[in-house]
Amino acid sequence: DSGVTQTPKHLITATGQRVTLRCSPRSGDLSVYWYQQSLDQGLQFLIQYYNGEERAKGNILERFSAQQFPDLHSELNLSSLELGDSALYFCASSVDPSVHEQYFGPGTRLTVT
Amino acid sequence: AQTVTQSQPEMSVQEAETVTLSCTYDTSESDYYLFWYKQPPSRQMILVIRQEAYKQQNATENRFSVNFQKAAKSFSLKISDSQLGDAAMYFCAYRSRSGNTPLVFGKGTRLSVIA
Repeated sequence: DSGVTQTPKHLITATGQRVTLRCSPRSGDLSVYWYQQSLDQGLQFLIQYYNGEERAKGNILERFSAQQFPDLHSELNLSSLELGDSALYFCASSVDPSVHEQYFGPGTRLTVT
Repeated sequence: AQTVTQSQPEMSVQEAETVTLSCTYDTSESDYYLFWYKQPPSRQMILVIRQEAYKQQNATENRFSVNFQKAAKSFSLKISDSQLGDAAMYFCAYRSRSGNTPLVFGKGTRLSVIA
């Protein structure tokens, strides 16, 4: 158990819908990262937050957004869902961006039908 | 941009034997970190081992060790005395030493362990 929690574990929804994925980092970690793992694209970085502020952006679609709250948990919002958004979404955390180990949560499996 | 290549989509090893998973990367930076992550059927991403580019000594964690060849930009993972629980996807990952950079992953190698 990495100490990073993600809810829900599984999510099944229809195209065009909107979902929110939630992540709680390890105790004491200020930095949160979101990754998407799909069969065709592999593991790709989406976005990073540090202490409530966005720090880096990767291949995140405009239909996707995220935020980190004062209690340091983070949410990833996915809207206007398409079949291709079906993937495993991971959250990872680290103490701060200068620490190079990132600890991953168990992931949320999103299926868009 | 940095890229990570794992040329072996699948590997297999007999229980108790040794196996080496290959990884190469491309970067223009001189200071960075390299990682191997394990993803078992549970899908959890587990950090196996870390190597700092400025250290010449190869990292070792119990039965896991790496062969880091900086000039060749190669970072292979050796698993000794393979166990059934080692069966998983293994991902090689790169991260720049500068703080605001994410992990860049290879496509992964699926390792099967044969009893």
